[in-house]
Formats: sequence, C-alpha cells, structure tokens
Amino acid sequence: AQSVTQPDIHITVSEGASLELRCNYSYGATPYLFWYVQSPGQGLQLLLKYFSGDTLVQGIKGFEAEFKRSQSSFNLRKPSVHWSDAAEYFCAVVLMDSSYKLIFGSGTRLLVRP
Amino acid sequence: GAVVSQHPSWVICKSGTSVKIECRSLDFQATTMFWYRQFPKQSLMLMATSNEGSKATYEQGVEKDKFLINHASLTLSTLTVTSAHPEDSSFYICSARAGTYGEAFFGQGTRLTVV
Repeated sequence: AQSVTQPDIHITVSEGASLELRCNYSYGATPYLFWYVQSPGQGLQLLLKYFSGDTLVQGIKGFEAEFKRSQSSFNLRKPSVHWSDAAEYFCAVVLMDSSYKLIFGSGTRLLVRP
Repeated sequence: GAVVSQHPSWVICKSGTSVKIECRSLDFQATTMFWYRQFPKQSLMLMATSNEGSKATYEQGVEKDKFLINHASLTLSTLTVTSAHPEDSSFYICSARAGTYGEAFFGQGTRLTVV
C-alpha cells in the first residue's frame, strides 16, 4: 500500500543551524509530494510541493526539498533555522488511484534552541 | 494562496448532542474536500473524502452514521458529529482541493470538547 514515512518524531536544532527533515514514500509511480507545517492548535500551511520536473523544489520561508527517486525520498531542508520555524512538519502524498486521497506522514516536531 | 474557512474554531458540547462543523472555500471552487481528525501530538487521520454532489467516501473504521458529511456545493462541506461522546473530543481539520490531485488548502481546524 502507498504510504509516507517520517522516521524522526522530533528534531532539535540550534537557531542558525541547518535543518533536514526526512520523508520516505512507498509508491510505484512518481508521486505527488507535499510538505506542510502546522503551528500548535492551527491548521496546515503548504511549504512546497513536487509534481514533476526539477527535483529540487523551492518553497516559502526559505525551505526547499529534493525529490530522489532512487531513495524514494523527499527531504525538507533549510540552510539556517529561525526560532519561528519551531512547529510540526508533515510530509504528504496524493494517492494516484481513483481516490486521489491526501495521506500524511506521522509528522516531525522541530524544536529550536536559542 | 486560496483560503479555506472552518467554523467554529472551538466548541464545547454536552454528551448526546450533535455538533456541526462548516468548511468553506472562500475564493475557489472545491471539487473535493477532506475531513481529518488529529489527536494530540499525532498526525492527521483521514476520516472521509467528499466530492460535491455525491456521497462521502469514509475511511475504514470511521462510522458514517456518527460523522455525517455533506458537500452540498462547490464551496461548502459540513461535518456533523452526532450523539457526541467524550471520546469524540479531538481536533478536526478540513481541507479543500480545486483540482483532481493538486494542492489542498486547509482550514484552521475545530477543537471539539465533549463533556
């Protein structure tokens, strides 16, 4: 079954340090992939998405992600983390069957040390 | 980006009563809307998918008679939690999508507390 996995439950980085959040998917064809961010008690905001084309995708707030088919990964990166980046991050995939459901990974909580 | 408005943002109700949550796409027509449930510090669990004018498709384990979903127009979907019980307390989030498999936009969520 198609799925998306985020192996890190939480990650702590120092402000100004670089960040990489991991996402792996299980799907036969090229999936449609997304990264969302959620602040406590809030809905979700789209950071970036990958449908096709250039495998390095730029998003909002200085985030980027790289689609690597060989590794079935779509990791999220940011060169310099700000304290305001502390939040929950979700990787998601659209199931390319007749349902086109949007399925989420388990999430990674990012903590930022001052 | 497009805006999805979800109301109410929080609600407290008594056991046995019903609660309706509205999800509106304000500046686009949503052919598909999703309803998710999120427990504290957990991911979003898809409850059902609704397409305008047709019955919702529920995920396995979700009681369709308890969680009534109506997608009457291209801009409005509602989730009604019927005969609510304390175990229904949760954070409910809707999302709306304009195309078949494009970007989904999310409401701000509804915190439901059943006492």
